[in-house]
Amino acid sequence: EAQVTQNPRYLITVTGKKLTVTCSQNMNHEYMSWYRQDPGLGLRQIYYSMNVEVTDKGDVPEGYKVSRKEKRNFPLILESPSPNQTSLYFCASSFLTGTNEQFFGPGTRLTVL
Amino acid sequence: ELKVEQNPLFLSMQEGKNYTIYCNYSTTSDRLYWYRQDPGKSLESLFVLLSNGAVKQEGRLMASLDTKARLSTLHITAAVHDLSATYFCAGDQGAQKLVFGQGTRLTINP
Repeated sequence: EAQVTQNPRYLITVTGKKLTVTCSQNMNHEYMSWYRQDPGLGLRQIYYSMNVEVTDKGDVPEGYKVSRKEKRNFPLILESPSPNQTSLYFCASSFLTGTNEQFFGPGTRLTVL
Repeated sequence: ELKVEQNPLFLSMQEGKNYTIYCNYSTTSDRLYWYRQDPGKSLESLFVLLSNGAVKQEGRLMASLDTKARLSTLHITAAVHDLSATYFCAGDQGAQKLVFGQGTRLTINP
């Protein structure tokens, strides 16, 4: 089944404790992206990648890191999480040609205490 | 910079009625997307509109795009409870960057 997977789905952590949220897609998509969703603010892009070893900042990159060492994986790293990073995070992927329709993962609900 | 605005943000309607959600965007967007999100769930792609005048229909939902007016609409015909969800439109700012509207929370009452 074609899908985008994220792990973990739920995470409660404390300020300053490094964490990684994994994202993997099996559709051979070139493009991958991370969004955060907050009430009243909608979805905002954190980072994106057009291909392996190519990443770029989105609208709200502060406090986050990403890497794209393999085409299928695009982990999101929070080196020192803070409470303002409590949010619902979505990974998405798409082809770079055609409709560019993005397919979203199931989401990761992160709480930073 | 592309800005996308939806209205209304909240919509409560009765089953069997028709209604339209509007999506205005500020600058040129090559394409326009509509997504559905159920509470606590992910975003599900509904429609991709690629050109001026594009119209797509799936069941009771129909989406259209007017690039001259920078307006897309999502029309709901004879609403049923199962269509209750939050609907997002998103424009393409270029380089695959999606800019989302605030979302319209649709509640359909029996």
